Amino acid sequence: EDKVVQSPLSLVVHEGDTVTLNCSYEVTNFRSLLWYKQEKKAPTFLFMLTSSGIEKKSGRLSSILDKKELSSILNITATQTGDSAIYLCAAGGGYGNNRLAFGKGNQVVVIP
Amino acid sequence: DGGITQSPKYLFRKEGQNVTLSCEQNLNHDAMYWYRQDPGQGLRLIYYSQIVNDFQKGDIAEGYSVSREKKESFPLTVTSAQKNPTAFYLCASGDRNNQPQHFGDGTRLSIL
Repeated sequence: EDKVVQSPLSLVVHEGDTVTLNCSYEVTNFRSLLWYKQEKKAPTFLFMLTSSGIEKKSGRLSSILDKKELSSILNITATQTGDSAIYLCAAGGGYGNNRLAFGKGNQVVVIP
Repeated sequence: DGGITQSPKYLFRKEGQNVTLSCEQNLNHDAMYWYRQDPGQGLRLIYYSQIVNDFQKGDIAEGYSVSREKKESFPLTVTSAQKNPTAFYLCASGDRNNQPQHFGDGTRLSIL
């Protein structure tokens, strides 16, 4: 059974801090790892990683995949209150069916 | 605007009642997915469909049913056999070729 584990499950930081979120996976026939941000409703797509060691960046957010360690990290620098959300990690594999296995999420609270 | 529309936003079910959650997409995606989200549990896959008139069970299909008669639509029925239906239900769609899934705003189902 495919498995995705995220840590820490929740954390509280002050504005301006840097946050590092961890995701490890065990997925048959791994193809990609995805990060989503969920505030109140729909998860919104952040990054998709398929190649090991290549960092993807978007503003203050960045993510990297380590296929050897079967893991990924999501970094948020200079956090703002708007970064408060649940960050979901998902791994895709299988045999062309695009199924994703999700972790339980990292709940981040940024306080002023 | 292209997107995924879920309705209703809130739904209440009585004992012994079947209820149907609607999901429509105009992104021309082949694949559609239904997830259930419980607090602290992440997203769990209920059913998915890669093509019209075909669908497969996910990890927690018991007590649910789906149909896929049109490419744009993938309704989910929560049957009376689902004894613990209170949850947040998310619909997603995606291309079949390893692209990110996109999510609707969800339906929150509660028991009366």
